Amino acid sequence: DSGVTQTPKHLITATGQRVTLRCSPRSGDLSVYWYQQSLDQGLQFLIQYYNGEERAKGNILERFSAQQFPDLHSELNLSSLELGDSALYFCASSPNPGLAGGPGTDTQYFGPGTRLTVL
Amino acid sequence: TQLLEQSPQFLSIQEGENLTVYCNSSSVFSSLQWYRQEPGEGPVLLVTVVTGGEVKKLKRLTFQFGDARKDSSLHITAAQPGDTGLYLCAGASSGTYKYIFGTGTRLKVLA
Repeated sequence: DSGVTQTPKHLITATGQRVTLRCSPRSGDLSVYWYQQSLDQGLQFLIQYYNGEERAKGNILERFSAQQFPDLHSELNLSSLELGDSALYFCASSPNPGLAGGPGTDTQYFGPGTRLTVL
Repeated sequence: TQLLEQSPQFLSIQEGENLTVYCNSSSVFSSLQWYRQEPGEGPVLLVTVVTGGEVKKLKRLTFQFGDARKDSSLHITAAQPGDTGLYLCAGASSGTYKYIFGTGTRLKVLA
């Protein structure tokens, strides 16, 4: 158990819809990272928040957005969903701010993931 | 586009055998990390290497970062069924620190 929690575990929805994925980091961790893992694209870094502020951006689509709240939990919002958005979405947390493009050498603790299926 | 290519893509071996997984790129990375991911779980960090030529050992696992910091390898000695999983390399590119994952190597160790 990494100490990172993600809800829901599974989510099934239809094309065009909007969903929200939630992540609670390990106690004391200020950074939250979001990743997408799909069969064709592998694991991709989407975005990082550190202490409430956006810190680094990866391959995140404009239809996707995220935020980190004062209690440090984070939400990833996916809108206008397409079939190709079906994937596992992971969040990870770290105590450190990382580097400009992502976590750098920091140790990240990954949650169990949310499996999103778009029909 | 920066890529981290891993080989082999799939590997099925008998318990007790040795194996090596490779992670290659045409770009320089400031650091590389190796993860293992089991079904239904998130990746777990195994090691971080930052210096060209660096070698790190973790029990039966040996990690090496290439001298030019463009490649890395993971060697497992006397593989065990518990080593089964998806092995991923990931790195921060030199300069931009953009973080990318490798294509993955799926290992199955048969008892």
